[in-house]
Amino acid sequence: SAVISQKPSRDICQRGTSLTIQCQVDSQVTMMFWYRQQPGQSLTLIATANQGSEATYESGFVIDKFPISRPNLTFSTLTVSNLSPEDSSIYLCSATDRVYEQYFGPGTRLTVT
Amino acid sequence: SQKIEQNSEALNIQEGKTATLTCNYTNYSPAYLQWYRQDPGRGPVFLLLIRENEKEKRKERLKVTFDTTLKQSLFHITASQPADSATYLCALDASHYKLSFGAGTTVTVRA
Repeated sequence: SAVISQKPSRDICQRGTSLTIQCQVDSQVTMMFWYRQQPGQSLTLIATANQGSEATYESGFVIDKFPISRPNLTFSTLTVSNLSPEDSSIYLCSATDRVYEQYFGPGTRLTVT
Repeated sequence: SQKIEQNSEALNIQEGKTATLTCNYTNYSPAYLQWYRQDPGRGPVFLLLIRENEKEKRKERLKVTFDTTLKQSLFHITASQPADSATYLCALDASHYKLSFGAGTTVTVRA
């Protein structure tokens, strides 16, 4: 199994600014993902973070708003840009080295004022 | 459109009883289905995976069934304990490595 940490655990940001979330895995993994979870709702996949190439975004999510980096097999960042109150949510990073179970970080709770 | 639906109501049960959660899906043909547990303020934790050719899977007090004809999975927690109180999410493989999640069912076990 993999242990995943995220930083920051929470933040309060002003409208129009950006927040970068870091995700660190304690071992090399093939796949890393970023999800958003709004209160009482399911996890929605934002994108797959690809090592050495551009992230693959899901429908409704674009690179300009959610730029992602993955410089190596254990680390990724997600930036949420030009923040609006609608971006207030929990952002989760996950990783897997197999087709099956994913390991999740504890999440970053973002509040936009 | 694709949909994953879990019990809309929270489940409140007495310690020692069995909790049964449902996961229904439409417009998916999953090769496997997974169940995760999520505690408040934490990320989901993997519990069980069941493949399309498996009818039932067990792990300790947990049992999962998978009926691809009904497009339904049932998740049972037997001899429930207060420590089982959490939100349980079902997830389907959407495509290579990717998962689609249901909204979850919150279970509260009363001592």
